[in-house]
Amino acid sequence: AQTVTQSQPEMSVQEAETVTLSCTYDTSESDYYLFWYKQPPSRQMILVIRQEAYKQQNATENRFSVNFQKAAKSFSLKISDSQLGDAAMYFCAYRSVLGGANSKLTFGKGITLSVRP
Amino acid sequence: GAVVSQHPSWVICKSGTSVKIECRSLDFQATTMFWYRQFPKQSLMLMATSNEGSKATYEQGVEKDKFLINHASLTLSTLTVTSAHPEDSSFYICAGGLVYEQFFGPGTRLTVL
Repeated sequence: AQTVTQSQPEMSVQEAETVTLSCTYDTSESDYYLFWYKQPPSRQMILVIRQEAYKQQNATENRFSVNFQKAAKSFSLKISDSQLGDAAMYFCAYRSVLGGANSKLTFGKGITLSVRP
Repeated sequence: GAVVSQHPSWVICKSGTSVKIECRSLDFQATTMFWYRQFPKQSLMLMATSNEGSKATYEQGVEKDKFLINHASLTLSTLTVTSAHPEDSSFYICAGGLVYEQFFGPGTRLTVL
């Protein structure tokens, strides 16, 4: 079974600075998806970024980028130019390509990010 | 991105009553729906996976007779919490599954008095 580990329960960043959230995972599969989700106080789950394991290039979405190290099974999220609206809980998640639409998400425990003005 | 709605967003009920939560995929057909439960400051816990027209598959430890899931159509899945008790109070989230991603509803906060 796959596992996702987020070892830091909380982090804080100064507005306009850069912060990196860590995530490691364990799997025996060679192809899979990795995700970072944001959950603000409204509790709506928002997809931040998706990475396909077969792609060597790190995914980027505006101020958000990942450092995907497949051999090390590491998937960290970098937030540049942090904004007050980035304050939220962030979840790292794994999804197998097997099973198609039935494939489950395996979530880490999450990290609470606060942004200091 | 695809949109999923949930209704109600917040419900309070008395202990022993049943509560139904609806989950609709508004602009796509979700052959698979996922139901999660989340306690404050914790991660999402998968309760069950449902496929249209089939019985739901429940995760280990989830009482199928307490949490009834029906996936009647490609756009509607319902979760009924039967004989609710205070310990069932939680935040329930549904998600519609596609091959490459799951799309989450806004969640339903259930409070059982």
